[in-house]
Amino acid sequence: EVQLVESGGGLVQPGGSLRLSCAASGLTVSDNYMSWVRQAPGKGLEWVSIIYSGGTTFYADSVKGRFTISRHNSENTLYLQMNNLTPEDTAVYYCARDLRSGRKDYWGQGTRVTVSS
Amino acid sequence: AIQMTQSPSSLSASVGDRVTITCRASQGIRNDLGWYQQKPGKAPKLLIYAASILQSGVPSRFSGSGSGTDFTLTISSLQPEDFATYYCLHDYNYPASFGQGTKVEIK
Repeated sequence: EVQLVESGGGLVQPGGSLRLSCAASGLTVSDNYMSWVRQAPGKGLEWVSIIYSGGTTFYADSVKGRFTISRHNSENTLYLQMNNLTPEDTAVYYCARDLRSGRKDYWGQGTRVTVSS
Repeated sequence: AIQMTQSPSSLSASVGDRVTITCRASQGIRNDLGWYQQKPGKAPKLLIYAASILQSGVPSRFSGSGSGTDFTLTISSLQPEDFATYYCLHDYNYPASFGQGTKVEIK
């Protein structure tokens, strides 16, 4: 059974940093494309970032230069390092396995990030 | 960046109704489109990928069609558990993007 479990969310001040984790079981993070998606309170879904199995990464324009997606192969964990956070980054952040063609088939339960002074 | 325009933003329907939701891409995306269902407080659930392929375990009352710029999600006979918000997603290139969502409510 595949499980993705996010952690690392919390309350942070504007300009601060957080690192989100997505611990995987039942699949190998380094063998898959993995994505982050977020959802601001009361809003729709927003694609954030993807890392290919080969290591190529892409970002939404809204986070480019501030967020970094990475993985730790031996820990089978996906990360999202978030720097210079703003209130607009307040959201629930989800990780998902990404099979392309619109196919994100496994999702975590989400971790909540609140950016506020 | 490719924009996804989803309509309607909300609709009211009754159990047993046929429901259609559309997504239009600002440029051609082949069939690199998925449809998701989300209920409050829950992660999105994949329904359809590659525009028309039903994800394993999803009821056959859900179907998808389209290619290029225009796509449709159809629920052939709405069931009580289908009241939720639906999103389309393209990943033809990056940045990927979701439609604005369609909230399906009980009439």
